[in-house]
Amino acid sequence: AQSVTQPDIHITVSEGASLELRCNYSYGATPYLFWYVQSPGQGLQLLLKYFSGDTLVQGIKGFEAEFKRSQSSFNLRKPSVHWSDAAEYFCAVGARAGNNRKLIWGLGTSLAVNP
Amino acid sequence: GAVVSQHPSRVICKSGTSVKIECRSLDFQATTMFWYRQFPKQSLMLMATSNEGSKATYEQGVEKDKFLINHASLTLSTLTVTSAHPEDSSFYICSARPGTSSTDTQYFGPGTRLTVL
Repeated sequence: AQSVTQPDIHITVSEGASLELRCNYSYGATPYLFWYVQSPGQGLQLLLKYFSGDTLVQGIKGFEAEFKRSQSSFNLRKPSVHWSDAAEYFCAVGARAGNNRKLIWGLGTSLAVNP
Repeated sequence: GAVVSQHPSRVICKSGTSVKIECRSLDFQATTMFWYRQFPKQSLMLMATSNEGSKATYEQGVEKDKFLINHASLTLSTLTVTSAHPEDSSFYICSARPGTSSTDTQYFGPGTRLTVL
């Protein structure tokens, strides 16, 4: 069955420190992978996505993610975190469901940033 | 580009009334729109997938007669919560997938906070 696991429910980092948020997926075919960010009380904003080609993808706000097929992972990274990065981060994989396609979501990782 | 609006952003209603939420893709055509529900501190729960001009596909456990979805045009989908009750209080988020997309990318609206008294 298709699934997405985000092992870390909550992470706290200091401003300026590096960040890595983990995401593992289970999907039979080549996956379409996404990272979204949600600020409090807001909808979701697309940070980056992977479809094919270069396994290291660059996104907005200085984020990047690396697709590792052998590890079924798509971890999100940022070299230096800013206080404004505090938010909820969701990893998702595109999947077929009958005649439709939808996103399978991880449970999210809540990021807190200490000054 | 790829902006999705949602209206209203916040609504409070009395138990037993119906509430309509609109979702619009402002700068692209969306053949498919999605409606999600999100409980506090939790992930998104897909309620239904809406394809323009056809009936919505509801996820297991979602009452289609309670959550009416209409996708009448390539830029507008509506969710009507009928005979709302306090347990329907939640954060409802829509998303839209461009008709040209073959890669599952969804763009999200800002959400609607529904409170049923």
